[in-house]
Amino acid sequence: DAGVIQSPRHEVTEMGQEVTLRCKPISGHNSLFWYRQTMMRGLELLIYFNNNVPIDDSGMPEDRFSAKMPNASFSTLKIQPSEPRDSAVYFCASSPPGQNNEKLFFGSGTQLSVL
Amino acid sequence: SQQGEEDPQALSIQEGENATMNCSYKTSINNLQWYRQNSGRGLVHLILIRSNEREKHSGRLRVTLDTSKKSSSLLITASRAADTASYFCYNNNDMRFGAGTRLTVKP
Repeated sequence: DAGVIQSPRHEVTEMGQEVTLRCKPISGHNSLFWYRQTMMRGLELLIYFNNNVPIDDSGMPEDRFSAKMPNASFSTLKIQPSEPRDSAVYFCASSPPGQNNEKLFFGSGTQLSVL
Repeated sequence: SQQGEEDPQALSIQEGENATMNCSYKTSINNLQWYRQNSGRGLVHLILIRSNEREKHSGRLRVTLDTSKKSSSLLITASRAADTASYFCYNNNDMRFGAGTRLTVKP
């Protein structure tokens, strides 16, 4: 199994640009999470999908952030327009059905730098 | 905001010593999980303890849970340099991670 795949691995962009982060969960998993990690704020839950439906998006910082899961094998996190304070590592994680999210599998993350 | 707080924030020990990390949580739990993160990598699941359990073992790991105090501890026995990483607790009820403990094991 290839695990959770995130792309790009690194992204450097200028303030005001649109950024799209991508995630492919493990095949068969039906829960998908987006987390953001910074030194100051630690790991923050941005959004949680179950069966492709957003269940908890209370962690999405503001309207500049949006996430979609058009099918079970793909999710995107978009920031438009990006700001320097969005610089962080963004992680995607998935978990299998029937286990109440008892084990999350993480991707390698996307290191985002907004200049 | 962080639902779980680990202490200490950083811990430095010698190889062979035991490392104990603590986590407190605010909301109720179905289970509490511990994860490890090597520098620059994604988190890896280590061990899970259910709300009706008090202690769990897995290899050199021992986890305890005190629901009356809303706290958990992770003990790593006979530490190795390869255990150097950050360790996080996770409440699957609110899907939040603690602030983490950065463990350094010196050879």
